[in-house]
Amino acid sequence: QKEVEQNSGPLSVPEGAIASLNCTYSDRGSQSFFWYRQYSGKSPELIMFIYSNGDKEDGRFTAQLNKASQYVSLLIRDSQPSDSATYLCAVKSFNKFYFGSGTKLNVKP
Amino acid sequence: NAGVMQNPRHLVRRRGQEARLRCSPMKGHSHVYWYRQLPEEGLKFMVYLQKENIIDESGMPKERFSAEFPKEGPSILRIQQVVRGDSAAYFCASSPSDEQPQHFGDGTRLSIL
Repeated sequence: QKEVEQNSGPLSVPEGAIASLNCTYSDRGSQSFFWYRQYSGKSPELIMFIYSNGDKEDGRFTAQLNKASQYVSLLIRDSQPSDSATYLCAVKSFNKFYFGSGTKLNVKP
Repeated sequence: NAGVMQNPRHLVRRRGQEARLRCSPMKGHSHVYWYRQLPEEGLKFMVYLQKENIIDESGMPKERFSAEFPKEGPSILRIQQVVRGDSAAYFCASSPSDEQPQHFGDGTRLSIL
């Protein structure tokens, strides 16, 4: 079982819609959770981080964490074509950061 | 405020040669992480270092790979006697503490001929 699981996609949404990206993790003791965006051939770029159960909003992005279900999600409101990228979920457990394989998002104009 | 600086951006080596990848963390960051990424795959943790200390190298192959983060100068990821399978993008990330988010450099694309 992988430490962090993500649906590889691609997830296709029309411009202006809400994109919902999901991630599950295996280590119940995980402490910190991160979402990164990676454009093809580029480096990962931090979008959001969340440490506590519940929702955290930043502009068009909302991160949701449910530690009981070991589930973290990222919502992107009013999706734009420029949001088309691979979204990586990362989970910190003790000294290590575990990354999922990423979900590819396509936002169609 | 410069970000995480990695060099070279691209590195070509022949089988059997050595590859040295450098990473200068963001100012004020003393925690450095190295990752490897194959095309269309996720990031694989390799090693976590603080100044002069290796904290966790459990993701690094036992042979041919080594990493250091000296008191002065950049962190170095060294791959000896490279093989074709070492071809990948190697990313370095840094953070000010082990609790705070990591910020990534642009990576080094290593190609083995």
